[in-house]
Amino acid sequence: DTAVSQTPKYLVTQMGNDKSIKCEQNLGHDTMYWYKQDSKKFLKIMFSYNNKELIINETVPNRFSPKSPDKAHLNLHINSLELGDSAVYFCASSSGVGREQYFGPGTRLTVT
Amino acid sequence: ELKVEQNPLFLSMQEGKNYTIYCNYSTTSDRLYWYRQDPGKSLESLFVLLSNGAVKQEGRLMASLDTKARLSTLHITAAVHDLSATYFCAVDRTGNQFYFGTGTSLTVIP
Repeated sequence: DTAVSQTPKYLVTQMGNDKSIKCEQNLGHDTMYWYKQDSKKFLKIMFSYNNKELIINETVPNRFSPKSPDKAHLNLHINSLELGDSAVYFCASSSGVGREQYFGPGTRLTVT
Repeated sequence: ELKVEQNPLFLSMQEGKNYTIYCNYSTTSDRLYWYRQDPGKSLESLFVLLSNGAVKQEGRLMASLDTKARLSTLHITAAVHDLSATYFCAVDRTGNQFYFGTGTSLTVIP
């Protein structure tokens, strides 16, 4: 069984479009995250979210917004896509503070 | 801003040799994590180090943490080809945000 899943695996779209990436975890974790990995493999935290609190990395443009319909899902919505948004986006989850994070397979976003 | 630096960025080593990857971080933290990433794949958790002096070993990999020096090491013993991957350390600053190092791309040559 897949612990953390993401859809789609690949996403190719044009500049200016709006797109969403879905993430689901079946681990019963209460905290979920989104990361961006650029072409140099550098990983940056974008958001962390649990039932009570959304923490946003201040460097993330407000075109990016997480949406959580329930504890097992944290979707990433991106408005007005730009070329620089091209990257691999990873979702992750953990069971609490100081716990290791489990990562999804990643979504490779290409903006043309 | 918290900085996490790894050294070296690229490492090519022969099978059977030993080597150490270093992870330095710029702010106080008692928790450090090591992950492995194969090309085109996701991240796999290797070690969770939760206190000063913590040492963990799994197979040919051993990780340690010195919180006073703000340094963690990942030691590779008698490397084999299957260990070829990119290794990341990550520091947990607030309890729910990881800051990843720059990554070390390891290639083990037969």
